[in-house]
Amino acid sequence: DAGVIQSPRHEVTEMGQEVTLRCKPISGHNSLFWYRQTMMRGLELLIYFNNNVPIDDSGMPEDRFSAKMPNASFSTLKIQPSEPRDSAVYFCASSIAGYNVLTFGAGSRLTVL
Amino acid sequence: GQQVMQIPQYQHVQEGEDFTTYCNSSTTLSNIQWYKQRPGGHPVFLIQLVKSGEVKKQKRLTFQFGEAKKNSSLHITATQTTDVGTYFCADGGSNYKLTFGKGTLLTVNP
Repeated sequence: DAGVIQSPRHEVTEMGQEVTLRCKPISGHNSLFWYRQTMMRGLELLIYFNNNVPIDDSGMPEDRFSAKMPNASFSTLKIQPSEPRDSAVYFCASSIAGYNVLTFGAGSRLTVL
Repeated sequence: GQQVMQIPQYQHVQEGEDFTTYCNSSTTLSNIQWYKQRPGGHPVFLIQLVKSGEVKKQKRLTFQFGEAKKNSSLHITATQTTDVGTYFCADGGSNYKLTFGKGTLLTVNP
């Protein structure tokens, strides 16, 4: 198994641009999570999907952030428009529902200038 | 999830010294998980503790869950340079939502 696959690994963009981060969870895992990691705030849960349905998006910072999971093998996190304070590492993680041990992807490091 | 506090925030040791990080909660935890994140890497699951007073070992790593299930510790015996990284505890109380502590960054001087 290739694990959780995220792309891009690094993204540098200018303020106001749209950013799309992508995630492929482990096959057979029906729970998917997007986390954001910064030095100041640590690991924060942004959104949780179960069986492709968003269950908890209370951690999504604001309307500029949106996430989708059109099928069991793909999810996106979009930021539009991006701001410098969005600079962080964004992790996707997956698990089997009810067994909340997470497998993280390698992360996408976002820098907004 | 409940808030979990980790101490210390940073720890620097000489290779061969022991290391301990602590995780504390003001309320009872259902279970606790530990993850390790190498510099530039991603969190990797180490272990889950569920029972009061539980102790688990993985080679040089010893994990404990307090009797009151409000605290946990990770102890590394005779650290090696490969132990460098940030160690996170996470409250696994919700059926899906992990609440992570801020982590303890361990550096090891060879």
